[in-house]
Amino acid sequence: SYELTQPPSVSVSPGQTASITCSGYNLGDKYACWYQQKPGQSPVLVIYEDNKRPSGIPERFSGSNSGNTATLTISGTQAMDEADYYCQAWDSSTHYVFGTGTKVTAL
Amino acid sequence: EVQLLESGGGLVQSGGSVRLSCAASGFSFSSYAMSWVRQAPGKGLEWVSSISGSGDSTYYVASMKGRSTISRDNSKNTLYLQMSSLRADDTAVYYCANIMRGFGGAFHIWGQGTMVTAS
Repeated sequence: SYELTQPPSVSVSPGQTASITCSGYNLGDKYACWYQQKPGQSPVLVIYEDNKRPSGIPERFSGSNSGNTATLTISGTQAMDEADYYCQAWDSSTHYVFGTGTKVTAL
Repeated sequence: EVQLLESGGGLVQSGGSVRLSCAASGFSFSSYAMSWVRQAPGKGLEWVSSISGSGDSTYYVASMKGRSTISRDNSKNTLYLQMSSLRADDTAVYYCANIMRGFGGAFHIWGQGTMVTAS
């Protein structure tokens, strides 16, 4: 079955750039998307089709996907960006697969 | 306003059944494929099932095949998930979500979730 692996945690100083990776076999051949989930809340889509932002998502969120790794970048990280982040891709055999999740902490 | 509202969760005996509902509003429901995604307490997200806009095509995660049925009533703008033979590891918050650009696309709008506890 297809698997996506993320680092358990990422720490960033407010105002700096946070990068969250998502690794999977030939992930660059698939579309990757990213979700933000704050404690007690439902997930929110922040990036789809590798690098597109849904309406209402701040420009500081960006994405890329190549080779075996997709990356979510948060530029000028704010305290409100503290959350769990999940990558997700679609595989023809497993269908939808979520990453293991990364907790972003703004120190 | 685009909205999804789940209901039907609760405490269910192991081996029992439950039917979840998701009421949609604010968008053309029948034009969108829909999904159920669950999250066990303190754990990550897991896709459970999806259905096409017409309801003709359905898809399930391996662990739920044969134990669950996804369906929809486009006249009522409502999505359903019938689950049976529930086990302790089915305990989770169950979210419904609409899918961008058809099956395989991202989960765009999510409901607030409904908790199912199998005990």
